Amino acid sequence: KAGVTQTPRYLIKTRGQQVTLSCSPISGHRSVSWYQQTPGQGLQFLFEYFSETQRNKGNFPGRFSGRQFSNSRSEMNVSTLELGDSALYLCASSHGTGGEETQYFGPGTRLLVL
Amino acid sequence: GENVEQHPSTLSVQEGDSAVIKCTYSDSASNYFPWYKQELGKRPQLIIDIRSNVGEKKDQRIAVTLNKTAKHFSLHITETQPEDSAVYFCAASKKTSLTTDSWGKLQFGAGTQVVVTP
Repeated sequence: KAGVTQTPRYLIKTRGQQVTLSCSPISGHRSVSWYQQTPGQGLQFLFEYFSETQRNKGNFPGRFSGRQFSNSRSEMNVSTLELGDSALYLCASSHGTGGEETQYFGPGTRLLVL
Repeated sequence: GENVEQHPSTLSVQEGDSAVIKCTYSDSASNYFPWYKQELGKRPQLIIDIRSNVGEKKDQRIAVTLNKTAKHFSLHITETQPEDSAVYFCAASKKTSLTTDSWGKLQFGAGTQVVVTP
């Protein structure tokens, strides 16, 4: 089975711009979770999507949003970028039937905001 | 909400020695505890996990123990090798049918940088 894929792998943006990141889960997985990884804050949960619905959300401002398509692919969007949004954005997929399921991570998108 | 603390933040060991990383969690409803290894520039990779109905699990040189009463779990790596050098993260999650605030969410510890010197 192919693993979780993310595109693009690297992005450079300037403050005030917006960005869209994409995640394709493992075939058959219906849940996609997004995480932000920074040296200072570690791995922080952004949100989770299952069957095109956001089921759970972390403590991030409304500038961070996402969606999921019928094929389970997910996108996250960050609007009005700030310098502090520079991070590695990771998505993880699972079957989505329970919180104790194994999550498999993608390679991440490294975002640099200048 | 859940809070996971991980210690130590850095760990240097000689090749062949054992390494132990400890995590504590705050939410007694947490019932799934995975460990991830992240090499520099790579994605986090699951190396072992344990569920709350099990006290210990072993996979070759890696073992995890869980103490539900004390709310802590530990990763043990024996006979360390240079390729074990990486950042290790513990995490906790829970499954509940009553609320959705646990869905798809892993609460991670801050990570442990393990350096294995030959």
